[in-house]
Amino acid sequence: DAGVIQSPRHEVTEMGQEVTLRCKPISGHNSLFWYRQTMMRGLELLIYFNNNVPIDDSGMPEDRFSAKMPNASFSTLKIQPSEPRDSAVYFCASSFRGPSTDTQYFGPGTRLTVL
Amino acid sequence: SQQGEEDPQALSIQEGENATMNCSYKTSINNLQWYRQNSGRGLVHLILIRSNEREKHSGRLRVTLDTSKKSSSLLITASRAADTASYFCATSNQGGKLIFGQGTELSVKP
Repeated sequence: DAGVIQSPRHEVTEMGQEVTLRCKPISGHNSLFWYRQTMMRGLELLIYFNNNVPIDDSGMPEDRFSAKMPNASFSTLKIQPSEPRDSAVYFCASSFRGPSTDTQYFGPGTRLTVL
Repeated sequence: SQQGEEDPQALSIQEGENATMNCSYKTSINNLQWYRQNSGRGLVHLILIRSNEREKHSGRLRVTLDTSKKSSSLLITASRAADTASYFCATSNQGGKLIFGQGTELSVKP
């Protein structure tokens, strides 16, 4: 299995531009998570989906952030407009959530720099 | 707010020594997991311990869980330079999401 795939791996953009991050979860997994990691705030859960349905988006910072999961094999996280404080590493993770397991498998991350 | 808090924040040891990291949490849990993150990489799952378990082993890893004290520890025995990484505990409740701590940065010097 290829594991969780994220693209792009690095993104440099200017303030005000739209940024779209992409994630392909592990085949067969039914839950998908978007995290943001910074030195100051650590690892923060932004949103998670179960069976393609958003379950908890309480971690999404503000309306500039949106996430979609149109099918079981693809998800996007969009920031519009981007701001310098959005600079961080964004991780996607997937899991097969069952009654006795919820181990998450992380992608390699997208390092976002907003100038 | 963070559910899990690791202690110490940073740990530096010599190769061959044992490394112990601690995690405290605040609310009831289904299970507690430990993850490792190498610099510039994603997190990798190491071990899961359920709320009704007290100790679990996996290779050179030993995890303990004390639900009465809401704490867990991760012991890495006979450490190697390749164990240098950040280690995170994560708690899981009925809601299906994991809450990660701030992590312990482990440096193993050859």
